[in-house]
Amino acid sequence: DAGVIQSPRHEVTEMGQEVTLRCKPISGHNSLFWYRQTMMRGLELLIYFNNNVPIDDSGMPEDRFSAKMPNASFSTLKIQPSEPRDSAVYFCASSLISSGRGAQYFGPGTRLLVL
Amino acid sequence: AQKITQTQPGMFVQEKEAVTLDCTYDTSDPSYGLFWYKQPSSGEMIFLIYQGSYDQQNATEGRYSLNFQKARKSANLVISASQLGDSAMYFCAMREGNSGNTPLVFGKGTRLSVIA
Repeated sequence: DAGVIQSPRHEVTEMGQEVTLRCKPISGHNSLFWYRQTMMRGLELLIYFNNNVPIDDSGMPEDRFSAKMPNASFSTLKIQPSEPRDSAVYFCASSLISSGRGAQYFGPGTRLLVL
Repeated sequence: AQKITQTQPGMFVQEKEAVTLDCTYDTSDPSYGLFWYKQPSSGEMIFLIYQGSYDQQNATEGRYSLNFQKARKSANLVISASQLGDSAMYFCAMREGNSGNTPLVFGKGTRLSVIA
């Protein structure tokens, strides 16, 4: 079975440019999470969806960040305009709401560098 | 507010020996789940083991076991018979509630180095 798929794996862009990160969750999973990992702040939640509905976006740094989940098999995280401090690894993870243990399975991450 | 503490920034272990990675947590929710993830140098996050707050027995998955001490709010990961491939960052995480629809809160991680 395919795991969580993220694209691109690496992104280098210049300050001010728009960046779009993509995620395909594991088929059948109905919760999707976006996390960001930096050396300074560790792993932190940005936003999560249950059944395609955004539940909590309080972790989104500011209005420059937005996320959508138009259907059960696709989500995007957009940064516009990007800034150097957005440089980080962005992970998408999915889980099954009805699962007793609710393990989240992570994609390989997108390593973003904003120059 | 929930919180995860990993007090060991780095650990060294001899190959074939066992090692314990510490994790303490704080939550007021009686229902919660505890997780350990491995992050090798390649960067992916690999789910290792899960312990539910109501589980009576310590979780085990192959060479991984979780030493769950509920009263002390600790959930230490034990890796037996360490291998060179176990060298990685290890993260303890917790979610409140008993289903898969709430986010994880992560500790800062412990970097494990296995020495030949």
